[in-house]
Amino acid sequence: NAGVTQTPKFQVLKTGQSMTLQCAQDMNHNSMYWYRQDPGMGLRLIYYSASEGTTDKGEVPNGYNVSRLNKREFSLRLESAAPSQTSVYFCASGAYQPQHFGDGTRLSIL
Amino acid sequence: QKEVEQNSGPLSVPEGAIASLNCTYSDRVSQSFFWYRQYSGKSPELIMSIYSNGDKEDGRFTAQLNKASQYVSLLIRDSQPSDSATYLCAVGGAQKLVFGQGTRLTINP
Repeated sequence: NAGVTQTPKFQVLKTGQSMTLQCAQDMNHNSMYWYRQDPGMGLRLIYYSASEGTTDKGEVPNGYNVSRLNKREFSLRLESAAPSQTSVYFCASGAYQPQHFGDGTRLSIL
Repeated sequence: QKEVEQNSGPLSVPEGAIASLNCTYSDRVSQSFFWYRQYSGKSPELIMSIYSNGDKEDGRFTAQLNKASQYVSLLIRDSQPSDSATYLCAVGGAQKLVFGQGTRLTINP
């Protein structure tokens, strides 16, 4: 029972590079979320998807794009990485609220 | 700007005592209130949800909500060293939750 699976677990990028963070859940949840967590701060919502085919902005969407590929998968893309995007990124899923989180992706932008 | 405030701690509690974690929020129309536990270096884990005024108990955990005072709390009875973690309060609608910065709790044997 995998739950929420995120890849990769660690990544180092140079400023201006692009990358996609992958997330998949096997619990048949409608809702999926992407958060970032910075030291001393709580989680901040980047984007969420209430159901397959829909996405909506959270608190800090600038510099990110998302795709809800199907009910299982929700990806987060950084088109041109900036040092301010250095963070730990968590994907979550749930029926109506974030219930289960992935292990996180530690992303460093140099 | 919707805000959720928590004392960052650390909050130190002796083993077996009651740990009390507090959270205030600014958005009066908030409908959903959650507590998450996060061990160091790990992902958050949902431990309690509460939607109406009063107390909700689940094992050693009790969530308390007072919408008039815009205040939500989490009590942990018979605290164990395994309860040492950061506790995140989250408030809002079902989809768009605003998280507090978390309170770091240490249970001393």
